[in-house]
Amino acid sequence: AQSVSQHNHHVILSEAASLELGCNYSYGGTVNLFWYVQYPGQHLQLLLKYFSGDPLVKGIKGFEAEFIKSKFSFNLRKPSVQWSDTAEYFCAVNPRNTPLVFGKGTRLSVIA
Amino acid sequence: EAGVAQSPRYKIIEKRQSVAFWCNPISGHATLYWYQQILGQGPKLLIQFQNNGVVDDSQLPKDRFSAERLKGVDSTLKIQPAKLEDSAVYLCASSLDPIAKNIQYFGAGTRLSVL
Repeated sequence: AQSVSQHNHHVILSEAASLELGCNYSYGGTVNLFWYVQYPGQHLQLLLKYFSGDPLVKGIKGFEAEFIKSKFSFNLRKPSVQWSDTAEYFCAVNPRNTPLVFGKGTRLSVIA
Repeated sequence: EAGVAQSPRYKIIEKRQSVAFWCNPISGHATLYWYQQILGQGPKLLIQFQNNGVVDDSQLPKDRFSAERLKGVDSTLKIQPAKLEDSAVYLCASSLDPIAKNIQYFGAGTRLSVL
């Protein structure tokens, strides 16, 4: 069965630190890739997505992610985090025409 | 544009009782999804509708869970009878096109506690 692995359960960073959250998936074919974010008390919302083309994709609020096909990875990055980035981040993958599979999520806490 | 609406936001019931959740997707979105999110885990798809037809219900525990989308718009998810392990957040999502781009928009969820 296809799976999505997020390596970090909880990450704590100081403001202005750089962020990288890992995501690996097990499916070998063509996939769509997503990062969703859930801010405290809010609903899940799309941060960025990759369907095809340039493997470096940019999303909202300064986030970006890089698709590395050979490593089955889609890591999320941000050069300088802010307190307002405190949230839970979910990586999700779906091969074409199959349901979306989510990772377990990474909780990011940004401290002043 | 209005988002995905869900109600209620919270529900507390005792085991063996029944409960129902309601979802109204974004207008024009043909595809509707119900997910279960247990604490500490990512959302898990329970059922996917395309208009009023079921596309995927392979992970729906059909002995106790049921869902319908009779008119192809809003949907209800029912649990009867509930078990302790059903305590979770139940998320509804909708998308315009399930095949090509599959960008899903989520509601705020219903947090269910089974005592």
